[in-house]
Amino acid sequence: DAGVTQSPTHLIKTRGQHVTLRCSPISGHKSVSWYQQVLGQGPQFIFQYYEKEERGRGNFPDRFSARQFPNYSSELNVNALLLGDSALYLCASSLAPGQGAYNYGYTFGSGTRLTVV
Amino acid sequence: DQQVKQNSPSLSVQEGRISILNCDYTNSMFDYFLWYKKYPAEGPTFLISISSIKDKNEDGRFTVFLNKSAKHLSLHIVPSQPGDSAVYFCAEGGATNKLIFGTGTLLAVQP
Repeated sequence: DAGVTQSPTHLIKTRGQHVTLRCSPISGHKSVSWYQQVLGQGPQFIFQYYEKEERGRGNFPDRFSARQFPNYSSELNVNALLLGDSALYLCASSLAPGQGAYNYGYTFGSGTRLTVV
Repeated sequence: DQQVKQNSPSLSVQEGRISILNCDYTNSMFDYFLWYKKYPAEGPTFLISISSIKDKNEDGRFTVFLNKSAKHLSLHIVPSQPGDSAVYFCAEGGATNKLIFGTGTLLAVQP
């Protein structure tokens, strides 16, 4: 069974550019969450989607946006990239928001390493 | 503002000994805490959880203790193995369904 898959694995962008990161959840999982992990810090919540609807948003500027598709995959978009956006972007999936989190945790992908130069 | 802190950035222990990783929190209204382990170039992997109504949960070599009066939890690994070397994160979960992570502790288990 495929786990959570993210693409691309690595990406280098220039300041001011736009980036799209992709995530496919575990088969049967309908909820996807995005986290940003800056070097030396823990992952920080960006968005949560369930059944194509935004269910939660973290403290990130409007340059960050996301969407979820009918097949439950998701895209994270970041506009007008800044050097500070350089980070590991993690996607996590679950059956539904919070469902199974206590027993199984959210399942994370390996992440996309974004470098902004 | 909810905060989760892991005040020890790193910890080194000998193989076979006990590893104790600590986590402090500020929010009393959580539902559970999760512990994750992370190897380089991989996503965090779920290890063990503890509910707000419990003070201990055990799974094999891993035990998590929760002290609500001190707003403190700890993960004990006994015996520690070289394969346990990784970054460990505690994460608070609750009604919002988002996880609030600590900054992580790098555990090095020396053979």
